Amino acid sequence: EAGVAQSPRYKIIEKRQSVAFWCNPISGHATLYWYQQILGQGPKLLIQFQNNGVVDDSQLPKDRFSAERLKGVDSTLKIQPAKLEDSAVYLCASSPNQWGKGNTEAFFGQGTRLTVV
Amino acid sequence: QQQVKQSPQSLIVQKGGIPIINCAYENTAFDYFPWYQQFPGKGPALLIAIRPDVSEKKEGRFTISFNKSAKQFSLHIMDSQPGDSATYFCAASRPPAAGNKLTFGGGTRVLVKP
Repeated sequence: EAGVAQSPRYKIIEKRQSVAFWCNPISGHATLYWYQQILGQGPKLLIQFQNNGVVDDSQLPKDRFSAERLKGVDSTLKIQPAKLEDSAVYLCASSPNQWGKGNTEAFFGQGTRLTVV
Repeated sequence: QQQVKQSPQSLIVQKGGIPIINCAYENTAFDYFPWYQQFPGKGPALLIAIRPDVSEKKEGRFTISFNKSAKQFSLHIMDSQPGDSATYFCAASRPPAAGNKLTFGGGTRVLVKP
């Protein structure tokens, strides 16, 4: 079974520029998560999708971050404009669980390391 | 708001030792407690998980102990090996009806010396 695919692996941008990350979850997984992992910290949930609908975006800085999941499959996360404090690894994860059913085994991609200079 | 507190931040043991990582949570609505292992440059991978109706769970050399009344749980790595050197995260999830949101602890970097 193919894992969660993310691209690019690395990205360096200047502050105030925009950047986009792409995620292809495991086939058939209904739930998709975007996490931000700052160096030395645990992952922090930014947004959670169930199919193509948002079920939790309470920690997403909506003035600069946006995300979408087209047709309930692939997802993109965008930052515009980027700040220095956005430097982190952005992890995408997917889970086979339907909202409200079952436990929560999340499968993670390798992440995109963003450096804002 | 840190809902899952993890300690220690780092741990060094000799091969064969037993690293112990502790986590405490606040939200009594959490009902699923997984541990993730992360190697440098990789995403976290599920290691073992427990539900609050069980006090202990073993999978290979990894054991979770769970104390519901104290709202604490811990990971023990028996007979640790250099290949176990990684960062370990505890996590907690709300009930399925609340959307399966995973909240992570801050992580523990474990180094197992040969």
